[in-house]
Amino acid sequence: AQKITQTQPGMFVQEKEAVTLDCTYDTSDQSYGLFWYKQPSSGEMIFLIYQGSYDEQNATEGRYSLNFQKARKSANLVISASQLGDSAMYFCAMREGWNNDMRFGAGTRLTVKP
Amino acid sequence: DSGVTQTPKHLITATGQRVTLRCSPRSGDLSVYWYQQSLDQGLQFLIQYYNGEERAKGNILERFSAQQFPDLHSELNLSSLELGDSALYFCASSVFAGDSMGEQYFGPGTRLTVT
Repeated sequence: AQKITQTQPGMFVQEKEAVTLDCTYDTSDQSYGLFWYKQPSSGEMIFLIYQGSYDEQNATEGRYSLNFQKARKSANLVISASQLGDSAMYFCAMREGWNNDMRFGAGTRLTVKP
Repeated sequence: DSGVTQTPKHLITATGQRVTLRCSPRSGDLSVYWYQQSLDQGLQFLIQYYNGEERAKGNILERFSAQQFPDLHSELNLSSLELGDSALYFCASSVFAGDSMGEQYFGPGTRLTVT
């Protein structure tokens, strides 16, 4: 069964606008971590933001914030004030408890239009 | 720059051959993870080492093996290569062994093409 689901294969956003990339997850563990990574066309994987399952506040890192809704098992990434350089693939990932296996979603390709 | 280095950046080889991919983790990180990214399978966890010991195994084929050396660098060995092994291979590192609080930092990847 899919542990991480990203339902948007592709998204478009106008420069300077905000965009939300969806991610839902499936776990029965109480302790888990949720991560977002960015993969530009150059191929490297860039860590963006982390949310722990026990964190009560939504994580924020600069223009990135994670909209964590535990009961709905969703961990959407919000990018504010989009820039052309934000065009990339975005992956949601999860690690459960002490499991070392990080599971990734299929990714969402974001295109920022000028 | 994540601080994780991988060599080589690109590798082209023929079916049936054997290759070795190398990874140096960030300074201070004890855990090294290997991932395979292919078009049909997405990003898949292969194996993890922590301070020289194998810690977790994912979808790693028997033809593949890895090790972590005393200086903490790691090598992923791929043998009897098949066309389907063509992929981007990532190494990642983190400080902790299995703490879900620890993010992993990825290297730039090695793009393997099997012809």
